[in-house]
Amino acid sequence: QKEVEQDPGPLSVPEGAIVSLNCTYSNSAFQYFMWYRQYSRKGPELLMYTYSSGNKEDGRFTAQVDKSSKYISLFIRDSQPSDSATYLCAMTLLDPGGTSYGKLTFGQGTILTVHP
Amino acid sequence: DGGITQSPKYLFRKEGQNVTLSCEQNLNHDAMYWYRQDPGQGLRLIYYSQIVNDFQKGDIAEGYSVSREKKESFPLTVTSAQKNPTAFYLCASSIAPTGPYEQYFGPGTRLTVT
Repeated sequence: QKEVEQDPGPLSVPEGAIVSLNCTYSNSAFQYFMWYRQYSRKGPELLMYTYSSGNKEDGRFTAQVDKSSKYISLFIRDSQPSDSATYLCAMTLLDPGGTSYGKLTFGQGTILTVHP
Repeated sequence: DGGITQSPKYLFRKEGQNVTLSCEQNLNHDAMYWYRQDPGQGLRLIYYSQIVNDFQKGDIAEGYSVSREKKESFPLTVTSAQKNPTAFYLCASSIAPTGPYEQYFGPGTRLTVT
């Protein structure tokens, strides 16, 4: 079983729809969570990060973390064709001193297409 | 303009040849990373370096080598021992191992070995 599971999709939605992207993880020691967006043949770009359970909002994007269920989500409101990309969740372990072990563990990525 | 540069964007090599991928950052970040991405898969960590002159193996280090002689540079050599080298290679950096922990990526190098 992979440490981080993410449905690869593909997911196709009409413009204006609310999109929900999800990851589950098995290691309760993961403490810091990130979402990346990757356009075709490009490097991933950081969208959002959070380390606490609850919601974090940034414009049309909301990141949600439920540590008790080991589940994170990214919601996109009013989706646009420019949101069409692969979305990767990532998370990291921290040692007791708060130092990252230097490794991000990534989900497989979900391919999203928003059609006009 | 701060960022991470990787060169070249596309690279073609014959089987049995070593090849070195360049990664430079001007973000003044301490930590740097190399990932490999294959179609339909997430990113897998090859090597990482948290400080100059020090680096650690990631999950798939076999057949790869790195050096970190300068803070700004972290080149990756794909050796002939790497059994399946054709992939998309991504370099990343982060401010410091003690946080913030977000990693920032370069544009990638697509390596094709025939």
